[in-house]
Amino acid sequence: DTGVSQNPRHKITKRGQNVTFRCDPISEHNRLYWYRQTLGQGPEFLTYFQNEAQLEKSRLLSDRFSAERPKGSFSTLEIQRTEQGDSAMYLCASSPLGGSMHTQYFGPGTRLTVL
Amino acid sequence: KQEVTQIPAALSVPEGENLVLNCSFTDSAIYNLQWFRQDPGKGLTSLLLIQSSQREQTSGRLNASLDKSSGRSTLYIAASQPGDSATYLCAATYSGGYQKVTFGTGTKLQVIP
Repeated sequence: DTGVSQNPRHKITKRGQNVTFRCDPISEHNRLYWYRQTLGQGPEFLTYFQNEAQLEKSRLLSDRFSAERPKGSFSTLEIQRTEQGDSAMYLCASSPLGGSMHTQYFGPGTRLTVL
Repeated sequence: KQEVTQIPAALSVPEGENLVLNCSFTDSAIYNLQWFRQDPGKGLTSLLLIQSSQREQTSGRLNASLDKSSGRSTLYIAASQPGDSATYLCAATYSGGYQKVTFGTGTKLQVIP
């Protein structure tokens, strides 16, 4: 499989529970991004990794959110004490480091519903 | 503030029509401009990418143009088909420590058979 994969594809949880999502980028891509997309809106940037280093975090990423990329390959996004406002599609993207024509390749997303 | 706007929010056309989707961006210092397609409940599929030094890109029935001076991009779809029904998002990428991508809110296209 040469694309970005995300698991699970759907997650339904009760308010107050913790959830964790996983993203597996394209194998040779050094850069990894997380976005959140709410209904009727475009994706909004959450955070960016270059290899294992988290280099940028949006103000949208509250203290309840944490992302890791421990070995510079797959990444996890954890949301603690979920709230109904966290319901959204969480998208992961990857891109190669360097080059002038590269684009971000997006995964299928994880749809989170908080009841 | 870097903003991307797409008009219209929704568009319905009969099959076979040619159509234009519009995208405007407030900061002309873009690195590139991308058009994506998103099917309901799915991720994003990149359609066309235009570098800041380019004016347009073509792929099959799709043609995207970029005018940095006016802060506008258009996506032209020729001979529309029902399978083109989806939400189309434009995204402006800005240079920086990472490539910050700012998305528009999308145009939901419905092509009626």
